[in-house]
Amino acid sequence: QSVLTQPPSASGTPGQRVTISCSGSYSNVGGHPVCWYQHLPGTAPKLLIYSNDRRPSGVPDRFSGSKSGTSASLTISGLQSEDEASYYCASWDDSLNGQEFGGGTHLTVL
Amino acid sequence: QVQLQQAGPRLMKPSQTLSLTCDISGDSVSSNVAAWNWIRQSPSRGLEWLGRIYYRSNWYHQYAVSMKSRILISPDTSKNQFSLHLDSVTPEDTAVYYCVRDGPLGPEMLDYWGQGTLVSVSS
Repeated sequence: QSVLTQPPSASGTPGQRVTISCSGSYSNVGGHPVCWYQHLPGTAPKLLIYSNDRRPSGVPDRFSGSKSGTSASLTISGLQSEDEASYYCASWDDSLNGQEFGGGTHLTVL
Repeated sequence: QVQLQQAGPRLMKPSQTLSLTCDISGDSVSSNVAAWNWIRQSPSRGLEWLGRIYYRSNWYHQYAVSMKSRILISPDTSKNQFSLHLDSVTPEDTAVYYCVRDGPLGPEMLDYWGQGTLVSVSS
């Protein structure tokens, strides 16, 4: 059972905007930056968002992140078929003194 | 460009000790601004952080609470690599294991990943 809560699934049609939430507490999301990772089957997870809302070089600007209090979210605008993947939020947790991941959200592009 | 190289799939029996090694190129295991993690992924548990090591004039370790009693992550500075040792594996340890770097912006920013090693535990 993860300390970061994500919906297990999400879906959208091409071109739509989808938002995935990540809920935590003051020992993790509330006190530390949040990152988001994209995981396609058979490949290593890829860093999508770091420091709550920053994109690494090469990540399309269709991907954006935000954080407020103990919750964070990932928004994908202009959904494309290749966005079908699992998405994980992550944050350091002071109580556990370790890195924590959300349970993951599987995004289906209909 | 940082690259992390892992070995091929492993088949293990329950109670054995899992040992995995990660070869680093483009950075140093003794870096004063990076840390070196092991993370695993399984369909039932998603991504799970196992632990990390880093060097800041001394070597430091941090381990997931669930792993603390049977995990060891160690550096080999002569080969620029780091290793995972996990004792007494069970079928629940079946997963893809990744070695991962976190950089100067904090432990949650896992910026370089190895290609992963599938570990299967079965009697």
